[in-house]
Amino acid sequence: NAGVTQTPKFRVLKTGQSMTLLCAQDMNHEYMYWYRQDPGMGLRLIHYSVGEGTTAKGEVPDGYNVSRLKKQNFLLGLESAAPSQTSVYFCASSYAIGAKTAYEQYFGPGTRLTVT
Amino acid sequence: QQQVKQSPQSLIVQKGGISIINCAYENTAFDYFPWYQQFPGKGPALLIAIRPDVSEKKEGRFTISFNKSAKQFSLHIMDSQPGDSATYFCAARGKGGGTSYGKLTFGQGTILTVHP
Repeated sequence: NAGVTQTPKFRVLKTGQSMTLLCAQDMNHEYMYWYRQDPGMGLRLIHYSVGEGTTAKGEVPDGYNVSRLKKQNFLLGLESAAPSQTSVYFCASSYAIGAKTAYEQYFGPGTRLTVT
Repeated sequence: QQQVKQSPQSLIVQKGGISIINCAYENTAFDYFPWYQQFPGKGPALLIAIRPDVSEKKEGRFTISFNKSAKQFSLHIMDSQPGDSATYFCAARGKGGGTSYGKLTFGQGTILTVHP
């Protein structure tokens, strides 16, 4: 099993450009998440999904959109990139137990995005 | 907004020493407290976790101490090794139903360096 994979690993964008980050998991997990990691700020949740076709806003959703058309994929889109979106982006997934209680989150290797 | 505060930001210990990282939370509506370990260029990975109904959990050289009344929890790494050098994040999972399941609030992270 590959676990959680992210594409691409690195990307440089110019201000105003758009792009999509792809996250894929082969563990049949219900829940998927997108985080950004910035120095001294930990990981902050951008958007998340509790199942195919459903998404919800996290802590810092502005400037991002997401889609979960297939259970195994979770896409993060930047419609008009800004320098403030320079960050390392991590996707994660988790399984649900019993009454939809999720525990361990499995993280991908990250995408380093620079917006100039 | 729920917060988890982590200290110190960085920590340097000698091989064989004890590393201690502390976290404090403000909201009592958390029901699961994991610690994640992240090596450079990698995604975070679950290290150890605790539920609030116990005061301590030990796995090998890693121990979580939990003080529910003080709303604090800490990670102790005994006999620290150079291979433990990494960034450590504490986190807390919110209780609640609906689409809040599985959402983690992360601390700011601690960069641990263990000198040989």
